[in-house]
Amino acid sequence: NAGVMQNPRHLVRRRGQEARLRCSPMKGHSHVYWYRQLPEEGLKFMVYLQKENIIDESGMPKERFSAEFPKEGPSILRIQQVVRGDSAAYFCASSPPFGGSSYEQYFGPGTRLTVT
Amino acid sequence: GQQLNQSPQSMFIQEGEDVSMNCTSSSIFNTWLWYKQDPGEGPVLLIALYKAGELTSNGRLTAQFGITRKDSFLNISASIPSDVGIYFCAGSVMADYGGSQGNLIFGKGTKLSVKP
Repeated sequence: NAGVMQNPRHLVRRRGQEARLRCSPMKGHSHVYWYRQLPEEGLKFMVYLQKENIIDESGMPKERFSAEFPKEGPSILRIQQVVRGDSAAYFCASSPPFGGSSYEQYFGPGTRLTVT
Repeated sequence: GQQLNQSPQSMFIQEGEDVSMNCTSSSIFNTWLWYKQDPGEGPVLLIALYKAGELTSNGRLTAQFGITRKDSFLNISASIPSDVGIYFCAGSVMADYGGSQGNLIFGKGTKLSVKP
């Protein structure tokens, strides 16, 4: 069973460029979550998506950040015009449809974004 | 917003020792999860708790969901070198419809290191 997959694992961008982070959930999982982690910190929620729907984006900055989970293909977290403060590890998690273990979120290995 | 206080921030373990860490919250949670994160990797789910008072084990790990729904602890018995890492508690707040709100709120982690 493949786990949550994220790519790239490491991404370097210059200030002002765009960053695209991809996440493929576990097989059978229909809910995707994105979190950001700064060094020595816990994970901070950004956005919660189901196929073609954003359920909760309360943790996502209003500007430059967007997320999607299309009907086909991976979920994408997009950061436009990156700034140094965007440097962090970005993790994607997935969970099964509602019921039972739907509250259990399984994380991918993360994408480490460095903005130079 | 909701916050989780996790303690201790760090601790040193000697092989064979028992380890205990806990999390407290100012809000009620309907789910508590414990994760372990190794350097450069994503968090790995260890234990999930769903009911107040629930005590759940996973091998040498035991976790409990506090009666007040505002705290949880994790115990590791007879620690081994591979237990080293960062342990995070995470909680899910109840949504208006009765299920989970979706996003997880994380503590700042307890870092386990080997005694020099």
